[in-house]
Amino acid sequence: EVQLVGSGGGLVKPGGSLRLSCEASGFTFSSYGMSWLRQAPGKGLEWVSSISSSSNYRYYGDSVKGRVTISRDNVWNSLYLQMNSLRAEDTAVYYCARGDCSGGNCRLDFWGQGTLVTVSS
Amino acid sequence: SYVLTQPRSLSVAPGRTAIITCGGNKIGSTSVHWYQQKPGQAPVLVIYNDRDRPSGIPERVSGSKSGNTATLTISRVEAGDEADYYCQVWDTSSDHSYVFGTGTKVTVL
Repeated sequence: EVQLVGSGGGLVKPGGSLRLSCEASGFTFSSYGMSWLRQAPGKGLEWVSSISSSSNYRYYGDSVKGRVTISRDNVWNSLYLQMNSLRAEDTAVYYCARGDCSGGNCRLDFWGQGTLVTVSS
Repeated sequence: SYVLTQPRSLSVAPGRTAIITCGGNKIGSTSVHWYQQKPGQAPVLVIYNDRDRPSGIPERVSGSKSGNTATLTISRVEAGDEADYYCQVWDTSSDHSYVFGTGTKVTVL
């Protein structure tokens, strides 16, 4: 059974940093691209960042570019998101998700349960 | 990047059919995927590549596409179908990003 367990969220002051983690199990982690997405309270889904299976490619959304870094460890089957210079508008539930790009078009076929990040003084 | 437009909300009686649309000017040239998100839960993929169902998704959930509009249809609606639904496309033109629609809240009367 595919499982993605996110952690690392919490309350942080504006300008602070946080590192989110996502532990994967039930599939060959090193074969899949992975992504982080977020959902602000009462709002829709927003893509944050993606990383290819071997970390060769990393992509970032405009709203976080320059402030976050995505990484992964294929030995420990884990995905990470280092978030710096946090702002109030970064307050959201952050989800990790597995990408399925078979057929050349990507979707997110499994999602973690989400971890809440609150940026407030 | 893409803008995907969905109706904000939809109300449907049990046993009837819910039809959710997703419009965008490049939908006709790419695949559309759909997610269901129940309150307090993570999204679940319910349709991929316009019309394919992942294992475990019932046949009464279906997808289609015509021109620049994709449609998610839920037949014989049940109370458990009450959720937010999002369409999604993959944008390779810039940052290989996942672009989501604005979301539709389906209420079962």
